[in-house]
Amino acid sequence: GNSVTQMEGPVTLSEEAFLTINCTYTATGYPSLFWYVQYPGEGLQLLLKATKADDKGSNKGFEATYRKETTSFHLEKGSVQVSDSAVYFCALTNSDTGRRALTFGSGTRLQVQP
Amino acid sequence: DSGVTQTPKHLITATGQRVTLRCSPRSGDLSVYWYQQSLDQGLQFLIQYYNGEERAKGNILERFSAQQFPDLHSELNLSSLELGDSALYFCASSVGGVNQPQHFGDGTRLSIL
Repeated sequence: GNSVTQMEGPVTLSEEAFLTINCTYTATGYPSLFWYVQYPGEGLQLLLKATKADDKGSNKGFEATYRKETTSFHLEKGSVQVSDSAVYFCALTNSDTGRRALTFGSGTRLQVQP
Repeated sequence: DSGVTQTPKHLITATGQRVTLRCSPRSGDLSVYWYQQSLDQGLQFLIQYYNGEERAKGNILERFSAQQFPDLHSELNLSSLELGDSALYFCASSVGGVNQPQHFGDGTRLSIL
């Protein structure tokens, strides 16, 4: 079946530090990969996506590259801000199984200190 | 603003009761998904509707049911509520393709006393 594994949190960084949140997946075929962000008291917002191998998704300074050889989709940002403090979820959908619903990782809480 | 509207925002009720959660998808989106977010289970897919018809089921209990109406809004019905049903319930909508992003509402927080 499909599964997503994320690094445990919380991740605590100082402002302007480099961010990496690791995400690996298990799925048959060629899943589509997503990063969602959840700010306190809010729903999930799509941060970025990649739909095929070697695609790079990017948005608001965040980037992630779809690596099929390592089944990974790590989230990176060069310089985090306090406003980036939130919970980040890696997720996938899988056209091979016809599954359009998202399979989520457990989420990684990011805390950025001024 | 995602364009997905969920009501109510908060719901407090007792064990054994029945509640209905409502979702209005983004304009033009035909697919509606329901997810449950809890501390122990994380984010889990419950059920999907596409243009009024059930399309896929996930980890949805038999006590739970849903439907999508002709105007595309959806309702999730939870009955014989148990303490363990306390969670945040999200609705998401998309145009329908597997690569299409899903847009989430702000959720309904259900508390069972």
